[in-house]
Amino acid sequence: EIVMTQSPATLSVSPGERTTLSCRASQSISKNLAWYQRKPGQAPRLLIYGSSTRATGVPARFSGSGSGTEFTLTISSLQSEDFAVYSCQQYSDWPLSFGGGTKVEIK
Amino acid sequence: EVQLVESGGGLVQPGGSLRLSCAAPAFIFSSYYMNWVRQAPGRGLEWVATINPSGRDKYYVASVKGRFTISRDNGKNSLDLQMNSLGAEDTAVYFCARGTELGASPFDSWGQGTLVTVSS
Repeated sequence: EIVMTQSPATLSVSPGERTTLSCRASQSISKNLAWYQRKPGQAPRLLIYGSSTRATGVPARFSGSGSGTEFTLTISSLQSEDFAVYSCQQYSDWPLSFGGGTKVEIK
Repeated sequence: EVQLVESGGGLVQPGGSLRLSCAAPAFIFSSYYMNWVRQAPGRGLEWVATINPSGRDKYYVASVKGRFTISRDNGKNSLDLQMNSLGAEDTAVYFCARGTELGASPFDSWGQGTLVTVSS
């Protein structure tokens, strides 16, 4: 079973700042990594897949990188609508698994 | 983005059963892997189960194996999750989500979720 660990649990960021979220896999998952954005009462939204490919309609300020066991999601300039919880997911092997999430809150 | 709509959630006693459904209009449902994902209160997302396009292959997280059954009806564009022997640990919002045509994959469309509460 592949365990996904996200850090930090919470990030306090000011609007307009750049921020980087981390996700680590317990074993290599190549680039089979997705990032999701979650807001209360809303369906999760796919942001990134294949570690670095933006999903349809995702703004260019979101970027992903990494391979193997270490991955990052960077938001280049935080907008008000970006304050949310971000989760990573590996789809390299069954069982599929998610990280615990990083909450990005307003500083 | 595809609109998925879950239904069937509610309050159930420990040891009870519940059947969730997901309506999936507006895309070629039968070509896609479909999934259930849950989020317990105060916790992160947890993948629950996946079914392949034909319905023959099914995958489950260990904690629900033998208790939950995922199924689909491609003629009706619907996905189900039969949940038996429910416990407090199954209390969560359950989401249905679309994968790809190729197996283990990211989920590009999600429903709003349906709340399952297991309590006496």
